[in-house]
Amino acid sequence: DAGITQSPRHKVTETGTPVTLRCHQTENHRYMYWYRQDPGHGLRLIHYSYGVKDTDKGEVSDGYSVSRSKTEDFLLTLESATSSQTSVYFCAISESAGGVSEQYFGPGTRLTVT
Amino acid sequence: RKEVEQDPGPFNVPEGATVAFNCTYSNSASQSFFWYRQDCRKEPKLLMSVYSSGNEDGRFTAQLNRASQYISLLIRDSKLSDSATYLCVVFTGGFKTIFGAGTRLFVKA
Repeated sequence: DAGITQSPRHKVTETGTPVTLRCHQTENHRYMYWYRQDPGHGLRLIHYSYGVKDTDKGEVSDGYSVSRSKTEDFLLTLESATSSQTSVYFCAISESAGGVSEQYFGPGTRLTVT
Repeated sequence: RKEVEQDPGPFNVPEGATVAFNCTYSNSASQSFFWYRQDCRKEPKLLMSVYSSGNEDGRFTAQLNRASQYISLLIRDSKLSDSATYLCVVFTGGFKTIFGAGTRLFVKA
């Protein structure tokens, strides 16, 4: 299995609070992604990174920001959590850009916003 | 219309059965195609890539039909361990990878 960890694995937070999720990889892959997964939807891309300090928006980026200060770490921040952001969040990494090559996923973070 | 559509199922089949899933995609310029498998409350994992000429990996066969814009996954001799959700994944270029919502499969003894 690819070396990807996510923390925390579970979190319950209140509406309006900021939340930061962490993704850590030991594979030295250049590309990293944050997705959310909701019932009835496929995984949807929130933000992605193509290198240290190089990030861009995905399909559902409103209300989220990211940072990547080191190759191995990619942080996702919910600036002011809302109930619509209750979801399962997956981090992924890949050797090549986008979907050209396999994406390896972390174990996920289950976030509940009350 | 969703960019990638799958029958959500569930498909309930007995062990040893053959089962097939289809997935349609809307972007004719899509470049790469994959099937991922996701176990309950786990992360998705690549099952197989889908090549234009079709490809096989053991009991699994994937087909691509560009003219009709669909891909398929055939599972032969189903095992209990095949019970999972199967995600159709389409790469359309840049960083745009579209995941289908998945098809649930239950294999029963």
